[in-house]
Amino acid sequence: AQTVTQSQPEMSVQEAETVTLSCTYDTSENNYYLFWYKQPPSRQMILVIRQEAYKQQNATENRFSVNFQKAAKSFSLKISDSQLGDTAMYFCAFISYSGTYKYIFGTGTRLKVLA
Amino acid sequence: EPEVTQTPSHQVTQMGQEVILRCVPISNHLYFYWYRQILGQKVEFLVSFYNNEISEKSEIFDDQFSVERPDGSNFTLKIRSTKLEDSAMYFCASMPGQGGETQYFGPGTRLLVL
Repeated sequence: AQTVTQSQPEMSVQEAETVTLSCTYDTSENNYYLFWYKQPPSRQMILVIRQEAYKQQNATENRFSVNFQKAAKSFSLKISDSQLGDTAMYFCAFISYSGTYKYIFGTGTRLKVLA
Repeated sequence: EPEVTQTPSHQVTQMGQEVILRCVPISNHLYFYWYRQILGQKVEFLVSFYNNEISEKSEIFDDQFSVERPDGSNFTLKIRSTKLEDSAMYFCASMPGQGGETQYFGPGTRLLVL
């Protein structure tokens, strides 16, 4: 069975600092995608960044970047220059090419950016 | 930019009542999903829908749940006889096509069963 694990239930960071959220996953598949979603208090799910497993290059989106270690099945999210608006719940998610492409989510990390 | 919409945003119902949650996916998308998030917990897959039929459902999706796409645009989730434990946020999502592409989520419907 495929699983996604986020071992940090809560984290905090000072505004303008950098923070890294951890995610590990377990799968026997070779082709898949990984995602980070942000869920602010409104509870809308907002895509932050995605990574294709076949790409060795780590994805980046402005202040957000990932460290994808395929052999270790690790997919961490780095937020640089943290802003107050980054305060949210962050979910790591896995989707595979096989089956129906459903997402499997981790339990989430609650990030608080401090002024 | 096109987006997934969901109605209602909030629904309060009595235990045992039927509820229908509505979603309008992005128009050219082919895959449709319902997920559930009980307060404080992770987002869980309920069901996927493709080519006008259910392609996969989780063990949460029992006989009390059903989905349909009645008119080619709306995508509905029906809970026939709600239970207290059905109280959750329900998210609809759609995806353009195969290949592990990104799913686009609606804003969710917050369901409270009393």
